[in-house]
Amino acid sequence: DAGVTQSPTHLIKTRGQQVTLRCSPKSGHDTVSWYQQALGQGPQFIFQYYEEEERQRGNFPDRFSGHQFPNYSSELNVNALLLGDSALYLCASSLGGAGNTEAFFGQGTRLTVV
Amino acid sequence: RKEVEQDPGPFNVPEGATVAFNCTYSNSASQSFFWYRQDCRKEPKLLMSVYSSGNEDGRFTAQLNRASQYISLLIRDSKLSDSATYLCVVSTSGSARQLTFGSGTQLTVLP
Repeated sequence: DAGVTQSPTHLIKTRGQQVTLRCSPKSGHDTVSWYQQALGQGPQFIFQYYEEEERQRGNFPDRFSGHQFPNYSSELNVNALLLGDSALYLCASSLGGAGNTEAFFGQGTRLTVV
Repeated sequence: RKEVEQDPGPFNVPEGATVAFNCTYSNSASQSFFWYRQDCRKEPKLLMSVYSSGNEDGRFTAQLNRASQYISLLIRDSKLSDSATYLCVVSTSGSARQLTFGSGTQLTVLP
């Protein structure tokens, strides 16, 4: 049973460029959340996708956008990259129904903006 | 003020020691509470959920005080493999599971 998989694992981009990160949720999971983790900090919630719609969003600018596909996989897009966007981007999957279910994290994509 | 605050450490303890981590949260609407463990350059993994009555999982004991908005984690008989960053996490909603993380407390268990 594959867990949460993210691609690519590492990425270097230049300021002003755009980037797309990808996530495949754990088998059976229908909800994907994205987090940004800066060095020395805890992960910060970016947004969550369920049933191909953004269900909840954290305090991130519109440069951060996403998408969820019918197979529940998801993409995170960041436009007009800033140096401060350098971070580990984590995807977490869970079950979207009512009640609390454990969120499983992927290994992350380490983005460096130069 | 951060929503979830933790002592960043680092905590350096000898093998076999008992170590306690504390965490406070500011949102009184928080409903769910967790401790996650994150190894260096790896993803966070759920260590344990925290319940109002307190709960134990082997050498790990978690406590929650809703009145004080305070969460704790106690690790007994520390092992070298316990070295990691421990993240205190709260969630305010059930189905829309937005997790709010503290900055983490770094633990190193020394031989």
